[in-house]
Amino acid sequence: DTGVSQNPRHKITKRGQNVTFRCDPISEHNRLYWYRQTLGQGPEFLTYFQNEAQLEKSRLLSDRFSAERPKGSFSTLEIQRTEQGDSAMYLCASSSSGAAYEQYFGPGTRLTVT
Amino acid sequence: QKEVEQDPGPLSVPEGAIVSLNCTYSNSAFQYFMWYRQYSRKGPELLMYTYSSGNKEDGRFTAQVDKSSKYISLFIRDSQPSDSATYLCATLNRDDKIIFGKGTRLHILP
Repeated sequence: DTGVSQNPRHKITKRGQNVTFRCDPISEHNRLYWYRQTLGQGPEFLTYFQNEAQLEKSRLLSDRFSAERPKGSFSTLEIQRTEQGDSAMYLCASSSSGAAYEQYFGPGTRLTVT
Repeated sequence: QKEVEQDPGPLSVPEGAIVSLNCTYSNSAFQYFMWYRQYSRKGPELLMYTYSSGNKEDGRFTAQVDKSSKYISLFIRDSQPSDSATYLCATLNRDDKIIFGKGTRLHILP
């Protein structure tokens, strides 16, 4: 297994544009999490899926953010009408449902909104 | 009060020294505690997790949890320049969400 992968690794976009990120979890993991990390801070939880069901969304996740995991495998995170405050590292992690304490992270997608 | 508090550092120690990294947490219901290592512009890497109080050792790394004082520690023996990174302490809340500290930047000086 090659671990969690994320694409793209870097994204630069203009304010107001839409962006979409992809995460491929460890294949045997049924849980997939999205986090956001800004400079000097730890990652903050955004949302998570168990199989294809989105079980929880943070209050940090405004209406401009949407995440999907249509077949219970990879997931996408879309940000509509990006704002400069959306600039951050977006991290994906996966785990088994019985071992949420053992989450493995991908390399992240660094978003810069100009 | 933040749920997990961690001194951001930076912490600089000479190569070969024992490093002690610490965090406090606020909710006595937390049971799982994790340490992640994050190199610059990379994703966090799980070093180890512990359940409840006690110690756990993995090579040069020892994690310690004291639930009576709500204190979490990570010790690194025989520190190496390659250990230079940001170390994130974390805990798991009852909704299976990880709550991270801010991270401590560690520099090991050759």
